[in-house]
Amino acid sequence: GQNIDQPTEMTATEGAIVQINCTYQTSGFNGLFWYQQHAGEAPTFLSYNVLDGLEEKGRFSSFLSRSKGYSYLLLKELQMKDSASYLCAVKDSNYQLIWGAGTKLIIKP
Amino acid sequence: DVKVTQSSRYLVKRTGEKVFLECVQDMDHENMFWYRQDPGLGLRLIYFSYDVKMKEKGDIPEGYSVSREKKERFSLILESASTNQTSMYLCASSPTGESHEQYFGPGTRLTVT
Repeated sequence: GQNIDQPTEMTATEGAIVQINCTYQTSGFNGLFWYQQHAGEAPTFLSYNVLDGLEEKGRFSSFLSRSKGYSYLLLKELQMKDSASYLCAVKDSNYQLIWGAGTKLIIKP
Repeated sequence: DVKVTQSSRYLVKRTGEKVFLECVQDMDHENMFWYRQDPGLGLRLIYFSYDVKMKEKGDIPEGYSVSREKKERFSLILESASTNQTSMYLCASSPTGESHEQYFGPGTRLTVT
């Protein structure tokens, strides 16, 4: 079967750095997406990785290792507004997105 | 900016009622999707469409149907609502191409009593 694993919840301090991990087992791989979802709102796109390595976009970076079936989202200089759920999704061999359950990130002052 | 709108943010229906959820996108995207989101579970795909009048079953199509008569509009129909269909329903659209992200509507929280 296809599976995406992420931690259910993480807590971090304002101004710090946090890494949210995602491991996947899917039938084929055509890219990995990270989305942010604030409570009661729609998911919004953060990043896309299809090749191994690190993609940096401001305070947010995303890393992919296809051989390990592993990705992480790195958030630097955390702000209170970063409190949200972070969803990992993999596009499989049929180009369908398989979604993880999401990681709820709690930022404390 | 891409805009995806859904007809209702909150909806309460009775068991056995027929329910229509409408989704409209304004960016001429070919692809449209309906998901449901439940606590502790990832987004689950109900149906998707790659073109007008075309539909494909997702992972959990039972109890649902869809309609895409116009490119910008994708409707989800619950033929006879049941309590286990109480959920958050999210519509999304995307252009064709494997690297393109999906753009989501604000969601409809449906409660079936």
